[in-house]
Amino acid sequence: DIQLTQSPSSLSASVGDRVTITCRASQGIANSLAWYQQKPGKAPRLLVYAAFRLQSGVPSRFSGSGSGTDYTLTISSLQPEDFATYYCQQYYANPPVTFGPGTTVDIK
Amino acid sequence: EVQLVESGGGLVQPGGSLRLSCAASGFNFRTYSMNWVRQAPGKGLEWVSYISTRSPTVYYADSVKGRFTISRDDAQNSLYLQMNSLRDEDTAVYYCARDPNYYDHWGPGTMVIVSS
Repeated sequence: DIQLTQSPSSLSASVGDRVTITCRASQGIANSLAWYQQKPGKAPRLLVYAAFRLQSGVPSRFSGSGSGTDYTLTISSLQPEDFATYYCQQYYANPPVTFGPGTTVDIK
Repeated sequence: EVQLVESGGGLVQPGGSLRLSCAASGFNFRTYSMNWVRQAPGKGLEWVSYISTRSPTVYYADSVKGRFTISRDDAQNSLYLQMNSLRDEDTAVYYCARDPNYYDHWGPGTMVIVSS
């Protein structure tokens, strides 16, 4: 199975900050990577798929990039509603789909 | 509007069984593969099972293989997860999620608690 690691595991940031979260796969996944946002008590929400394609309705301050084994989710200007936990997911070697352990973004 | 709504969760003793359901609406259910994903309290996301369309192909996580069975009823726009021989570590919120590969729509989840 392909393992995913995320860094950092948590971060504190202020409204307006640029935030970057990294996801590293144990082998190349050919851009078969998605990012999700999850708020407490809610289901995950798809933000990005195919490494950089923004899901319909997702604000343009979110962007994805990367290739091979290393991928990044960037929030260009953090908004109050962006405080949440973010997960990456690979679907290159499927099954099983695997998720990263998550990155929690909270208020500084 | 795409909607997925899970039901059937609850408290069950170790070794017991539960059947989860997911009611789908707002899209052509029979043309989409579907999944179950779970999240233990305070933990991350874990894929549980997948079912394809038509003559369905099914897959399971190793942690549930031989105990859980996924199925679908396209006439009823419904997805199911039969869970047998439940263990403490199966305690989680269970989500149904629509494929393709990544999960573009999720239900709100149903809580399963396995405890004596």
